[in-house]
Parts: sequence; C-alpha cells; structure tokens
Amino acid sequence: GAGVSQSPSNKVTEKGKDVELRCDPISGHTALYWYRQRLGQGLEFLIYFQGNSAPDKSGLPSDRFSAERTGESVSTLTIQRTQQEDSAVYLCASSLGQGLQPQHFGDGTRLSIL
Amino acid sequence: GENVEQHPSTLSVQEGDSAVIKCTYSDSASNYFPWYKQELGKRPQLIIDIRSNVGEKKDQRIAVTLNKTAKHFSLHITETQPEDSAVYFCAATLPSSKAAGNKLTFGGGTRVLVKP
Repeated sequence: GAGVSQSPSNKVTEKGKDVELRCDPISGHTALYWYRQRLGQGLEFLIYFQGNSAPDKSGLPSDRFSAERTGESVSTLTIQRTQQEDSAVYLCASSLGQGLQPQHFGDGTRLSIL
Repeated sequence: GENVEQHPSTLSVQEGDSAVIKCTYSDSASNYFPWYKQELGKRPQLIIDIRSNVGEKKDQRIAVTLNKTAKHFSLHITETQPEDSAVYFCAATLPSSKAAGNKLTFGGGTRVLVKP
C-alpha cells in the first residue's frame, strides 16, 4: 500500500480484556516498529522487527504486552488483561531496513481502557 | 540507554517570525536525528533528518543544525505560517551495531502555535 496502515483506528474496551492491534507496513519495508504515545507526551519505543532476526523487545513495559510479525508483512501487538494505564495511541512505523533509514508512521490505534 | 530532552515545551510565534526548538541527547554514539511534525490526531510526519557526519541541513524554510561536541541539535523554521502550527518531536538513534535496528528515542515534544 501507499503507507503504513493500522487497525482498528479506535478501540474502547473494559479493564481486564485482551486487545489485538494490527499493522500493515509499507510494501518492501523489512523493519517494523511499535511505539506508544500517551496523551500529550512523546513516543516510547516498544518493540522492533527486522526480517527474520529475533525481535528487540526491550521496550515492552510488562509481560502483558507481546507482538508478532509474519515474515516481512503484517504485525500484531497484543495486550492481555488491559489496565487503565494502557490507554494511549499505539503507533506502528516501518522502514527499508537497518542503517539510517527514515521511519514512516501509521495513523495509530487510539486505545481507551474503561 | 539514550535520553533526549527537548525545549521549549510550548512556543508561540507571530506569523512570519522564526521558531527554534532545541534538543539534547545523552549518548555520544547516536548518529541519526530525525524531526517529526504531528498535527492534532494525525500521524507523525518526518519533516527533516540529519546524520552525524553533517553539521547542518536545509529544506526550504526548515533547517536543522547538529553540534556533536555539545550533543545538541536544533530545528529552525523561518517565515512561519499558520499551517506550521503542530507538535514537533526530535529523536535520536544509536548505530545498528550498538542497538538492534534504529529504535528512536523521542523528546517530549514542542507545541508550536503560529499566530496570524
């Protein structure tokens, strides 16, 4: 596609439920990143995928967070047993690969935990 | 790990004036510094970036300067227009050899308001 696509655009769920967020990177981009943006704040790195290498999970805030990526395509970010502090915009970005390649962002998923 | 500080947090300028946003970073090995513009409710858009082997880069009304010795970099917007109003984020990344990939560490953002 023309850009990074994320779904859903908005998600409202009750505390304790699991949620799954989806990211479709730009075609041909081997690197994929997830970031979290709390209201009025900067972006926090969560996880990074590059080709078939082991993902860099160093930014995941707890073991309730996990992510998968199938090859060099779609990625899903799963949050189990959601808490109110998980409320944020979850942004996905992709780039051509390693090296100093610009990252291009999707519109994000706005997650609200009631 | 890397830490990026950004100032000011808000900036109000008159249309036509210049705006300057400053960022400092902690890890001297950082080698790539992008700037993103984020309008309300929209995705961050890359507006300019600079690599550590360059001291300055310009693109029309936007310029970025990098001082590696002092570990700071700045965004300059000249002849500001109302459509420049947005939140601007600086970021830094370490070389791939030091960190897996190029995960970005972001500053806290600067809300810029250009008054007509």
